[in-house]
Amino acid sequence: ETGVTQTPRHLVMGMTNKKSLKCEQHLGHNAMYWYKQSAKKPLELMFVYSLEERVENNSVPSRFSPECPNSSHLFLHLHTLQPEDSALYLCASSQSSQGNTEAFFGQGTRLTVV
Amino acid sequence: QKEVEQNSGPLSVPEGAIASLNCTYSDRGSQSFFWYRQYSGKSPELIMFIYSNGDKEDGRFTAQLNKASQYVSLLIRDSQPSDSATYLCAVNVQAGTALIFGKGTTLSVSS
Repeated sequence: ETGVTQTPRHLVMGMTNKKSLKCEQHLGHNAMYWYKQSAKKPLELMFVYSLEERVENNSVPSRFSPECPNSSHLFLHLHTLQPEDSALYLCASSQSSQGNTEAFFGQGTRLTVV
Repeated sequence: QKEVEQNSGPLSVPEGAIASLNCTYSDRGSQSFFWYRQYSGKSPELIMFIYSNGDKEDGRFTAQLNKASQYVSLLIRDSQPSDSATYLCAVNVQAGTALIFGKGTTLSVSS
């Protein structure tokens, strides 16, 4: 496998469920990100990890909990979500978190909260 | 609040024409600028990046940067129906955090 892979590709969950999104990058990058993409809105940066340390949390509700066990893997743990959390969740990686290198995206997880 | 603004479109051009996509940004200290293309239902893919004022050409694509006016543009020459997609402008902010994206401009190329 190459690039950035995300699983699952689609997820439907109830508001009381707990689920996790997984991301793996095979590019040897140092930084990984979670973005949320909703209809008619810009890509919203949620979390930034650099060398496995969280360096940015953009006021994301605590029902979203990230985890970065190593520089190749990133998780987003979900619990007690709301219907407005339905969106495309994109994982990305880059060589650094300083914004001067391009980000490579996974295919995304289409999340529907019912 | 750091912002990246794009006209959401849709921008419609005939096949073979030049498509011009524009983006403005609010942070005067921004250093790096990227254009991504996103097909419907797919993830964004990088087309070009530009760091210095002026033009940068890559095949049918030209990125133009004017830091004094705080805008960056993407020109697509000889537009093809396969260029129909949403084009996202992304900028790094002065603090060196992750890329900030605009809403994207939807381009439709008719054959």
